[in-house]
Amino acid sequence: EVQLVQSGAEVKKPGESLKISCKGSGYSFTSYWIGWVRQMPGKGLEWMGIIYPGDSDTRYSPSFQGQVTISADKSISTAYLQWSSLKASDTAMYYCARLYYYDSSNWFDPWGQGTLVTVSS
Amino acid sequence: DIQMTQSPSSLSASVGDRVTITCQASQDISNYLNWYQQKPGKAPKLLIYDASNLETGVPSRFSGSGSGTDFTFTISSLQPEDIATYYCQQYDNLPPSLTFGGGTKVEIK
Repeated sequence: EVQLVQSGAEVKKPGESLKISCKGSGYSFTSYWIGWVRQMPGKGLEWMGIIYPGDSDTRYSPSFQGQVTISADKSISTAYLQWSSLKASDTAMYYCARLYYYDSSNWFDPWGQGTLVTVSS
Repeated sequence: DIQMTQSPSSLSASVGDRVTITCQASQDISNYLNWYQQKPGKAPKLLIYDASNLETGVPSRFSGSGSGTDFTFTISSLQPEDIATYYCQQYDNLPPSLTFGGGTKVEIK
């Protein structure tokens, strides 16, 4: 079974750093892009960026470029999303998802269970 | 960046009703359009890929159509378990762009 398992909920203060993880199993982790998607409280889905764990090629949505860092460790089939200095506005649920591809088509499937990040003083 | 306009933002319908959601792209995206279902407190789930292809295991009452800039998602007979928010999402390769529509919250009347 293809599965993505994310790290647990985090509560942080403004200005702190954070790294959350997404571990893949049941497929060749290095052969598919992994994406990160933000969902702020009561709001819709926003794609943040994608990484190809095979060579760590990373692409960011213009809205998130410079705001977060996406990385991966292929030796342990894990992708990461990190912040160097959190803001209250980073409070959200964060999902990872595999970007499945077929010919020229791509879609997110499956998704991780989500990691809730709360930033509050 | 390609923009996706989804409508309506919410709707209320009776069990057994036909429900239709539209998604419009700001430029031609061919058929690179996917639909996801997100139930309250859960991660999104893929329902339809490439505008009209039903993901394995998804009930046949769900369907999608369209190409170019205009797309439609339909639930032929709304069931209580279909209460969720539905999102369209486009894919463009150069540069990579995976924009979601704003979502449609479906409720039972």
